[in-house]
Amino acid sequence: QKEVEQNSGPLSVPEGAIASLNCTYSDRVSQSFFWYRQYSGKSPELIMSIYSNGDKEDGRFTAQLNKASQYVSLLIRDSQPSDSATYLCAVKAGTYKYIFGTGTRLKVLA
Amino acid sequence: DVKVTQSSRYLVKRTGEKVFLECVQDMDHENMFWYRQDPGLGLRLIYFSYDVKMKEKGDIPEGYSVSREKKERFSLILESASTNQTSMYLCASSLWDNNEQFFGPGTRLTVL
Repeated sequence: QKEVEQNSGPLSVPEGAIASLNCTYSDRVSQSFFWYRQYSGKSPELIMSIYSNGDKEDGRFTAQLNKASQYVSLLIRDSQPSDSATYLCAVKAGTYKYIFGTGTRLKVLA
Repeated sequence: DVKVTQSSRYLVKRTGEKVFLECVQDMDHENMFWYRQDPGLGLRLIYFSYDVKMKEKGDIPEGYSVSREKKERFSLILESASTNQTSMYLCASSLWDNNEQFFGPGTRLTVL
């Protein structure tokens, strides 16, 4: 069983819509969660980090964490074609151990 | 802004060659990491270092070694490159007390 699971997609949304990306994790002691955006052929870029239950907003991005359900999500409001990328969920599972999901590919249709 | 640089964006080597991949960060980060990324497998940790001359094996260290002689520089060495080491190699760094990792641009290595 994978430790961090994401739907591979592609998730297609029209321009201006809300994109909702989801991630579940198996390690109950995890305390730190991250969302990265990765364009094709490029390296991951940190978008958001979240450590407490609830919502964290940064511009058009909102991360949501529910530790009881072992679930973290990323909402992208007013999606733009430039948001088309693969979004990686990462969980810190130890002092130096980070576990990455395989990513969800998002396509924003103009 | 954090800046992590890697020595090459693309590299082509032959089977059996010794390969050096270098990573430099300019933000005085204590922690540095080497990952490889393959389709369908995600990012897998090869080695990490939490201080100069300190190193720890990650999940897939076989066939690799590392060197950290200076705080800002972390090198990944493929002792004898093999075709199954064809991959995207990503370096990352973080502060010792901060969880956020920042990645370099990556090196796409092809071993023929």
